[in-house]
Amino acid sequence: GAGVSQTPSNKVTEKGKYVELRCDPISGHTALYWYRQSLGQGPEFLIYFQGTGAADDSGLPNDRFFAVRPEGSVSTLKIQRTERGDSAMYLCASSLGSGNTIYFGEGSWLTVV
Amino acid sequence: GDSVTQMEGPVTLSEEAFLTINCTYTATGYPSLFWYVQYPGEGLQLLLKATKADDKGSNKGFEATYRKETTSFHLEKGSVQVSDSAVYFCALSGAQGGSEKLVFGKGTKLTVNP
Repeated sequence: GAGVSQTPSNKVTEKGKYVELRCDPISGHTALYWYRQSLGQGPEFLIYFQGTGAADDSGLPNDRFFAVRPEGSVSTLKIQRTERGDSAMYLCASSLGSGNTIYFGEGSWLTVV
Repeated sequence: GDSVTQMEGPVTLSEEAFLTINCTYTATGYPSLFWYVQYPGEGLQLLLKATKADDKGSNKGFEATYRKETTSFHLEKGSVQVSDSAVYFCALSGAQGGSEKLVFGKGTKLTVNP
């Protein structure tokens, strides 16, 4: 597609449930990033993929968060046993790799009730 | 660790006014510096960047100069328009051993009135 696509755009889930958020990067982009943005804050880094592998997952807050990119294109962010504090905008971004412009999607709003 | 501090908003200006949004950073190594903009209902977009000291990034009338001596990257525009109303984020990358991750400030909301 023309840009980074994220689905769903909005997700409301109950505390304790499992959630998956999908990211479809720009075609040909080898680097993919996940960020989390809470209200009134800047985006915070979660994880970075180069190809299929997670090159840096230092931003994942705990073991309830996991992300995959099995074929080096689409990525899924998985959150287990959701908590109300997980409510935020989850942003995906992609680029051609080191030193290239990073393009962001419009994000997935997650609300945990 | 690396961090970015930008001026608190919101900022409200009249059309054609001069804009400055301050940004300072703390980083080990030699980061690249960025300004991203988020228009209402849209995703983050890169506005401009600078990759080394004394570089000036510019785009759409906005400018920012990488000042290593003051660890700053202030955003300026000489004459703002209503269409510039958005949230502006200062960010850095590449500081810690070439890390690819972006570190963002909290954002500054700009409203320009006609």
